[in-house]
Amino acid sequence: EAQVTQNPRYLITVTGKKLTVTCSQNMNHEYMSWYRQDPGLGLRQIYYSMNVEVTDKGDVPEGYKVSRKEKRNFPLILESPSPNQTSLYFCASSSTGGGYTFGSGTRLTVV
Amino acid sequence: SQQGEEDPQALSIQEGENATMNCSYKTSINNLQWYRQNSGRGLVHLILIRSNEREKHSGRLRVTLDTSKKSSSLLITASRAADTASYFCATAWYSGGGADGLTFGKGTHLIIQP
Repeated sequence: EAQVTQNPRYLITVTGKKLTVTCSQNMNHEYMSWYRQDPGLGLRQIYYSMNVEVTDKGDVPEGYKVSRKEKRNFPLILESPSPNQTSLYFCASSSTGGGYTFGSGTRLTVV
Repeated sequence: SQQGEEDPQALSIQEGENATMNCSYKTSINNLQWYRQNSGRGLVHLILIRSNEREKHSGRLRVTLDTSKKSSSLLITASRAADTASYFCATAWYSGGGADGLTFGKGTHLIIQP
């Protein structure tokens, strides 16, 4: 089944403790993106990648890192999480010019 | 930056009626896409319309695009209770290096009353 898999689905962590949210797609898509969704603010793009080793900042990249060492994986790294990064996170992938397939989301709480 | 703005923010209709949602955007686009999201779950791609297209159909969905007005509309005909969800428009722009991802509006929350 064609899908984007994110892990974990839920995560509660403490301020400053590094964490990684994994994202993997099995559709051989070139493009992958990370978004965060917050009430009243909608979905905002954090980082995107057009292919292996090619990444760029979205609208809200501060406090996040990404890497694209393999085509299928696009992990999101929070080096020192803060409470304002409490949010619902989505990974998505797309072929050139196509619609995006989204993962099921990761609900992150930073206390 | 938020590109699209959906209108209305919320819409409640009776089952069987048609639902129309509008989206306006600010800058040039390559294509415009509509997504559905059920209560905090992942987004599901519904339909994509390219900048050189004016209308597109998919099942009970009809999308129009007016690039001169920078606006799009999504029509869901013969609505069902299962259509209750939030609907988002998203614009895509491709710079010289490739896709720059999607820029979303804040969504329309659609409630279908049985």
